[in-house]
Amino acid sequence: SQQGEEDPQALSIQEGENATMNCSYKTSINNLQWYRQNSGRGLVHLILIRSNEREKHSGRLRVTLDTSKKSSSLLITASRAADTASYFCATDSRSNFGNEKLTFGTGTRLTIIP
Amino acid sequence: DGGITQSPKYLFRKEGQNVTLSCEQNLNHDAMYWYRQDPGQGLRLIYYSQIVNDFQKGDIAEGYSVSREKKESFPLTVTSAQKNPTAFYLCASSIRGVKNIQYFGAGTRLSVL
Repeated sequence: SQQGEEDPQALSIQEGENATMNCSYKTSINNLQWYRQNSGRGLVHLILIRSNEREKHSGRLRVTLDTSKKSSSLLITASRAADTASYFCATDSRSNFGNEKLTFGTGTRLTIIP
Repeated sequence: DGGITQSPKYLFRKEGQNVTLSCEQNLNHDAMYWYRQDPGQGLRLIYYSQIVNDFQKGDIAEGYSVSREKKESFPLTVTSAQKNPTAFYLCASSIRGVKNIQYFGAGTRLSVL
């Protein structure tokens, strides 16, 4: 089953506006990541936030994490046409050893209207 | 260029046929992963490997098989037992023991003839 569920499933905004998408998850995590996927391509890592962090910034991206609500949000400011893509959250669950698998959400399809 | 190479980009399978998808990385990553993506859906984990000669089943391993004989390579075979193989297949790799940031290939689109 999917750990993460993104909301909304699809979002269309005008170029220059801000885009916000949300992710909810079910179990305790080590960190939460956001990835971007252009149509028909592989995913690209955008940003990682650890479970003990509440907010993180990277360029035009701002991520928040609320572990009490098991939710995260991704804000893209001053959107551009090139931001049109699908965005996925991915959770890294706690483990006693090494690498752990990621569980991806269902994604938000973002369309920026020029 | 460093990265992950998946081939072929498009693949067609006849009924009853096994097909193998290639995934090669030159990032010196220990861990490698195979995901399946259906239209408008998220990624579902098929198999993953954290070290050479070892791999684990993911959430939807039935009808698939893998091998990890070399660090650089993690081929996926879609067997005839997989009755609904049409999907977009993505391979990824990551450094073990760090943040598990995954690097993805460009994908293989598999269709059934």
